[in-house]
Amino acid sequence: KQEVTQIPAALSVPEGENLVLNCSFTDSAIYNLQWFRQDPGKGLTSLLLIQSSQREQTSGRLNASLDKSSGRSTLYIAASQPGDSATYLCAVVSGAGSYQLTFGKGTKLSVIP
Amino acid sequence: NAGVTQTPKFRVLKTGQSMTLLCAQDMNHEYMYWYRQDPGMGLRLIHYSVGEGTTAKGEVPDGYNVSRLKKQNFLLGLESAAPSQTSVYFCASSLYSPMNTEAFFGQGTRLTVV
Repeated sequence: KQEVTQIPAALSVPEGENLVLNCSFTDSAIYNLQWFRQDPGKGLTSLLLIQSSQREQTSGRLNASLDKSSGRSTLYIAASQPGDSATYLCAVVSGAGSYQLTFGKGTKLSVIP
Repeated sequence: NAGVTQTPKFRVLKTGQSMTLLCAQDMNHEYMYWYRQDPGMGLRLIHYSVGEGTTAKGEVPDGYNVSRLKKQNFLLGLESAAPSQTSVYFCASSLYSPMNTEAFFGQGTRLTVV
């Protein structure tokens, strides 16, 4: 059974710092990996989707990398801002005929002004 | 551009009552999903649909039923609510299979069963 782990569970950084969020998965036979952002009491906002054939994706100050063989992905946030404060979730799709995203429990990021 | 819209946003039920959660998407997506999010558990798939008129069970389907009579709508029903169904429910959709395409989520429905 696929398991997704995100460490640390919480992270606090000063504004302007570059930071990396980590995601690991136990079964490397994934189709893709998606990073989401969740604000308190809100839904999930898709940030980046990386297909299994890709190594990285970029959107603005965000860069996500994927290393399938080692079962790891990182989300790099450059020049962090207080507005980046949220919980970041990663999810993978794996398994033949799977229609399910398997989620990690998230990393709660606080960017201190 | 509404995306995925869930109704209602909050609800309190008494044990044994029934209710239906409505999900509507305006992106012409084929696939739709219902997830629940519980503290310390992450999101788990309840039911999903791969097209109008189809439904299938996910990881935690017991106590729930679903229907997809129209392509844009996916309904989640609780026939006899139990306190264990207290959760935040999220609807999602994707153009095609999540193996190939991005999933988009609604704002969530916070359900409390007392």
